[in-house]
Amino acid sequence: DAKTTQPPSMDCAEGRAANLPCNHSTISGNEYVYWYRQIHSQGPQYIIHGLKNNETNEMASLIITEDRKSSTLILPHATLRDTAVYYCIVRVNTNAGKSTFGDGTTLTVKP
Amino acid sequence: EAQVTQNPRYLITVTGKKLTVTCSQNMNHEYMSWYRQDPGLGLRQIYYSMNVEVTDKGDVPEGYKVSRKEKRNFPLILESPSPNQTSLYFCATRDTWTYEQYFGPGTRLTVT
Repeated sequence: DAKTTQPPSMDCAEGRAANLPCNHSTISGNEYVYWYRQIHSQGPQYIIHGLKNNETNEMASLIITEDRKSSTLILPHATLRDTAVYYCIVRVNTNAGKSTFGDGTTLTVKP
Repeated sequence: EAQVTQNPRYLITVTGKKLTVTCSQNMNHEYMSWYRQDPGLGLRQIYYSMNVEVTDKGDVPEGYKVSRKEKRNFPLILESPSPNQTSLYFCATRDTWTYEQYFGPGTRLTVT
C-alpha cells in the first residue's frame, strides 16, 4: 500500500468548509484513496473512497488530483460534530487481509 | 440495519484471568478483523479472518487468540491477560473486495 502524508492537525470554523489534504505520491494505478474518521474513542467510520474521479456522497466530497499524487477531503459545512481524527488510506481493492491506519489529521471545528 | 456489535463494552479484570470479547456482524461479510488502539500508537491490527476457519496474524498478535467457526462471529480471546493489554479494542468487518470497513463500538479493557 502506498504511503500517505497528512498534517497532524487542522482547525476549521463551524459552518465553513473543511479541506483535509493527503499526499500519496507513490500511489499505483490500481490503488484507491479511502477516507475514514474517528470521533473520540468511537469506532472509525468509513466516509468515502475514489480511484480517479472526484466523488461525492452525503457526508463529504473527495477531490483527487489528475496525477493522483494527492487528494482532498471536503466537508462542505463543518459542524462541531465533525471534530474527529481523519485518516487517509491508499490501497488496492483486493482480498488482502492486512490493514494499516496511519496517524491521521485531527480536525477541530470551532464555534 | 447493518451492525457490528461487541461485548462487553467495558471490562476490568485481573492479570491471568482468561477473557473473551465477542464480535458479531449481520452483513454476511467474509472478512473480519480485530484492532487495538492505544494513545500515541494509533490503530494496530491484531488478527484478521478472510473466511470461516481462516485466520491470520496482524501486526500485534502476541497474547491473543481468535477463532472463526461461523461467518457472523469473530471472538477475541485473551488466555492470560496482562496489564500491557489494557487498551481500546475494535472489531471490524468488510466485504472481501473493498476496503470499506465497518467498525464496532469498541471494548475498553483494563487489566490490573
